[in-house]
Amino acid sequence: AQKITQTQPGMFVQEKEAVTLDCTYDTSDPSYGLFWYKQPSSGEMIFLIYQGSYDQQNATEGRYSLNFQKARKSANLVISASQLGDSAMYFCAMREGLGGAQKLVFGQGTRLTINP
Amino acid sequence: GAGVSQSPSNKVTEKGKDVELRCDPISGHTALYWYRQRLGQGLEFLIYFQGNSAPDKSGLPSDRFSAERTGESVSTLTIQRTQQEDSAVYLCASSSDRGWYQPQHFGDGTRLSIL
Repeated sequence: AQKITQTQPGMFVQEKEAVTLDCTYDTSDPSYGLFWYKQPSSGEMIFLIYQGSYDQQNATEGRYSLNFQKARKSANLVISASQLGDSAMYFCAMREGLGGAQKLVFGQGTRLTINP
Repeated sequence: GAGVSQSPSNKVTEKGKDVELRCDPISGHTALYWYRQRLGQGLEFLIYFQGNSAPDKSGLPSDRFSAERTGESVSTLTIQRTQQEDSAVYLCASSSDRGWYQPQHFGDGTRLSIL
């Protein structure tokens, strides 16, 4: 079974509009963390935002926010006021457990294209 | 620089040859991870090292793949008798162990092409 599911292979949005990228996850571990990364065409992986399973509030980081619905096991990324530079692949990832180092399990990604 | 450094950035080799990929983590990061990204796909976990603990090798796809790390410094990923399906970008990441919320910081990857 897929641990991380991103159902939108591609998204097209007009500049300055808000966009929501979907991510659902599957785990039986009560302790987990959810991460979003951006991968531009140049290939580097850029960390955007983190949400912990015990966090009471949705994470926010500048124009990025996470719509965390724990009961539904979803952690959607919201980008407000999109910019042309937001065009990239976006990956949702999860780590399970509280150990010092844990692997990340990634979704297949969503390719976001911002149109001028 | 202060980021994760990987070399070479590109490697083209013939099927059957051995290749060695190098990763230099961020100074002070005790955890180091290797991932593989095939074209148009997400990242697949390969192996991680955490301090002096035994590495988690659960993601290595076959015994042709191995990795080493000396202390908390450089790591090398070795692929023996390369096959065409090994063609991918190999990404290294490192993280601090100061909290389980710490993100992994990635290098720019090595693009491996097997002819």
